[in-house]
Amino acid sequence: GEQVEQLPSILRVQEGSSASINCTYENSASNYFPWYKQEPGENPKLIIDIRSNMERKQTQGLIVLLDKKAKRFSLHITDTQPGDSAMYFCAANSAGNKLTFGIGTRVLVRP
Amino acid sequence: AQTIHQWPVAEIKAVGSPLSLGCTIKGKSSPNLYWYWQATGGTLQQLFYSITVGQVESVVQLNLSASRPKDDQFILSTEKLLLSHSGFYLCAFSWGSYTGQLYFGEGSKLTVL
Repeated sequence: GEQVEQLPSILRVQEGSSASINCTYENSASNYFPWYKQEPGENPKLIIDIRSNMERKQTQGLIVLLDKKAKRFSLHITDTQPGDSAMYFCAANSAGNKLTFGIGTRVLVRP
Repeated sequence: AQTIHQWPVAEIKAVGSPLSLGCTIKGKSSPNLYWYWQATGGTLQQLFYSITVGQVESVVQLNLSASRPKDDQFILSTEKLLLSHSGFYLCAFSWGSYTGQLYFGEGSKLTVL
């Protein structure tokens, strides 16, 4: 099955700086890579995604990069704010309607 | 707009007791439905998925079962809870022939004592 590695597990950044989370996957057939943000006690919410026909996608202070050769994708949060503090999960799809998630990254934005 | 509703919001149950968690999707027909489990502070583990009424595929065995009795309803159950069943259960939906954008319900928090 698919394995998704996610690093780092904890990320502390200063407000206004950028935060980067990296994920790698194993299955070269994976073609969909979403990112979810989860606040304590709440459900995960889709914040941005990228498909394999793209290398870069940007929306509202978020940038996702995909390197299919290296089987690596990353999330970059620009100009971080206290409201960006949360758990972030990357994921990759695989056969059988399966979406495999990384272990998560706890982002802590210091004011 | 599509809505997803899970029930109950939270349950405290005894080891060995039965469990039933439910999920309904409104706003679009024939969604793909999923059950995920999340330990406290942990990642999201897919348990089951269903692409049509009456058909459920198991992804991982956790002494749980799932059923899809109606197009818009997905049920997760077990006859005997274990301590390891504690966690956050999330129902999710998507559309299409492959896993596309996945949207989660509000979740059901289960504590097994």
